[in-house]
Amino acid sequence: SAVISQKPSRDICQRGTSLTIQCQVDSQVTMMFWYRQQPGQSLTLIATANQGSEATYESGFVIDKFPISRPNLTFSTLTVSNMSPEDSSIYLCSVARGDTQYFGPGTRLTVL
Amino acid sequence: TQLLEQSPQFLSIQEGENLTVYCNSSSVFSSLQWYRQEPGEGPVLLVTVVTGGEVKKLKRLTFQFGDARKDSSLHITAAQPGDTGLYLCAGASNQGGKLIFGQGTELSVKP
Repeated sequence: SAVISQKPSRDICQRGTSLTIQCQVDSQVTMMFWYRQQPGQSLTLIATANQGSEATYESGFVIDKFPISRPNLTFSTLTVSNMSPEDSSIYLCSVARGDTQYFGPGTRLTVL
Repeated sequence: TQLLEQSPQFLSIQEGENLTVYCNSSSVFSSLQWYRQEPGEGPVLLVTVVTGGEVKKLKRLTFQFGDARKDSSLHITAAQPGDTGLYLCAGASNQGGKLIFGQGTELSVKP
C-alpha cells in the first residue's frame, strides 16, 4: 500500500484566482494520477503525472487550466487556474502499485 | 473504449438486509478493484480480484470476478449502518496504469 497526504484538505477561493494542491507519498512511485470528483459521484481522471516527463491530460482537461508538476518520485502538485464556480469539486491524487491505485484524502474546493 | 457499468447507483436498505452491487463491461480487464469511500475521505481499497471466477471474502463482504473477467459483483450480508458509503468498482485498463471507474453506488443502511 501507500500513505498519501494532500494539502490543503479544503479551501474556499474567489473566482479568478488559482489554487495549488500538493500531494506527498511516503515512498517512491513512478505513476501518480489526479482526479476530480463531484460529491457522491464517481471519479474523473484529469491527468497522469510521471516523474521526468510532461503530464498526460485526458480529454476535456488542458495544461493551461490544470498545470501539474512532478519534481521527484514522492511529490506532485496540481494547480487549478483562473477558477470559476464550476471548478468546485473534490480533487484527489493517487499512486499506482501494479494495477491497484491508492488514494489521498482529497482536497475539497469551493469557488465563490 | 473500455466502460464499466455499475448498478444500482443508489441503494437505501434497513440494517440486517443483504445487497448486491454489480459492475459489468463488454471489455476484459486484467484486474478489478473495489473501493469504499466515506464523506470527506478518499476511496479506500477493499479488494483486488485478478483471476476469472475468483471469489474473495472480507468479513461480511463477498467479491466475485466473472469467469471471462468482464464483470464483478460485491455482496454484503446483514448490512450494518457502518457499511454506509460510496462503493466504486474500477478495472485496470489497457492504457498504462489507468483505471476505468464505474459510476459508483451510494449505499445507505438505516438502523
